[in-house]
Amino acid sequence: GQNIDQPTEMTATEGAIVQINCTYQTSGFNGLFWYQQHAGEAPTFLSYNVLDGLEEKGRFSSFLSRSKGYSYLLLKELQMKDSASYLCAVYAIKAAGNKLTFGGGTRVLVKP
Amino acid sequence: SAVISQKPSRDICQRGTSLTIQCQVDSQVTMMFWYRQQPGQSLTLIATANQGSEATYESGFVIDKFPISRPNLTFSTLTVSNMSPEDSSIYLCSVETSGGAIKQYFGPGTRLTVT
Repeated sequence: GQNIDQPTEMTATEGAIVQINCTYQTSGFNGLFWYQQHAGEAPTFLSYNVLDGLEEKGRFSSFLSRSKGYSYLLLKELQMKDSASYLCAVYAIKAAGNKLTFGGGTRVLVKP
Repeated sequence: SAVISQKPSRDICQRGTSLTIQCQVDSQVTMMFWYRQQPGQSLTLIATANQGSEATYESGFVIDKFPISRPNLTFSTLTVSNMSPEDSSIYLCSVETSGGAIKQYFGPGTRLTVT
């Protein structure tokens, strides 16, 4: 099976930085996704990492270490609209077919 | 990117009835998936909708309860059969694109309430 762990909830102040960690264990690893989901809406794609290292995309960056089974999503210059759930998802190649498995999600609350 | 639409966006259904959810994509895609998101929870994969063959179900999900159709590369349906209140959830269609990096996009979801 796959174990994907991320914190349940984080609180940060507007303008600050927050780092959401995700650890995973899986076979057939072929990349890690981060999604943002506002309440009542569908998940929105943020990033996909398949190689080790940091991928920067504006205020959001994502890091992957395959050897450690570890990723993080870094949110900089936090804005009130960043209050949402952030989902870590592992993409794996299995005999039965490719599969994306989600962690429990991290609810981020941005306070003024 | 892919633009995905789902119908209906929400429904309230009576116990014991069935509901069919439609998913339409604006481009041909090989991989289509159905997920469930129960209240306050993350997403759980129900099945992979295979074009031209039976869907591949995840552990805990069976064809009799969640029959799936995939008649072509842009359309799929998920039926929630013989519903009970435990089926109240958001059902999401998802597609995978692979022009370069792999990306997986989600439809807007169907919010189902079973009374």
